[in-house]
Amino acid sequence: QVQLVQSGGEVKKPGASVKVSCKTSGYTFISYGISWVRQAPGQGLEWMGWISGYDDSTNYAQKFQDRVTMTTDTSRSIGYMELRSLRSDDTAVYYCARDRDMPGNDFWGQGTLVTVSS
Amino acid sequence: NFMLIQPHSVSESPGKTVTISCTRSSGSIASNYVQWYQKRPGSSPTTVIYEESQRPSGVPDRFSGSIDSSSNSASLTISGLKTEDEGDYYCQSYDSSRRWVFGGGTKLTVL
Repeated sequence: QVQLVQSGGEVKKPGASVKVSCKTSGYTFISYGISWVRQAPGQGLEWMGWISGYDDSTNYAQKFQDRVTMTTDTSRSIGYMELRSLRSDDTAVYYCARDRDMPGNDFWGQGTLVTVSS
Repeated sequence: NFMLIQPHSVSESPGKTVTISCTRSSGSIASNYVQWYQKRPGSSPTTVIYEESQRPSGVPDRFSGSIDSSSNSASLTISGLKTEDEGDYYCQSYDSSRRWVFGGGTKLTVL
């Protein structure tokens, strides 16, 4: 079955970077892209961007364009999201989500809590 | 860019029907597909409706979606409400560059 398993929670200081991984299984990695969505405490869902599993093309939200890099390791079926120059308002749960398939199913990771605090 | 505007909260009794709206601030609601996600505390989002009115496998037919061009809005309707339907619901669409846009979310209380 399709699974997306994310890396564990992180605590970072302001100005640092964080790299969250999303280990996928149960499907052909290059056939689907991965989106990254975050939710800050008490806030709504916020889309950060998308990366193709096929050719590593990316589409970033304008808000994160200068601070985020999404990559993949197709040999290990892993997607990565790196966010730089962290601020306290980057404290959030970060989710990866696989593109929807033809029956309409999408799959999400369990979420990774990133806490930014001095 | 446009916004998707949702009511902050709705509440209804078990067994009843509730409708959550999602109004697009500019541009046509019909220009890009709308999806609806359920988000419960401590859980990952799950899709309840995609492409305006399609249900993923496993989502009961109590959930339905539609759009209304006259009000430039999408709607999620849940009939036969159950306590397990409680949670936050988010609409989502795309801009012209295929970037996702989320609504602010609607808290559904089933009481």
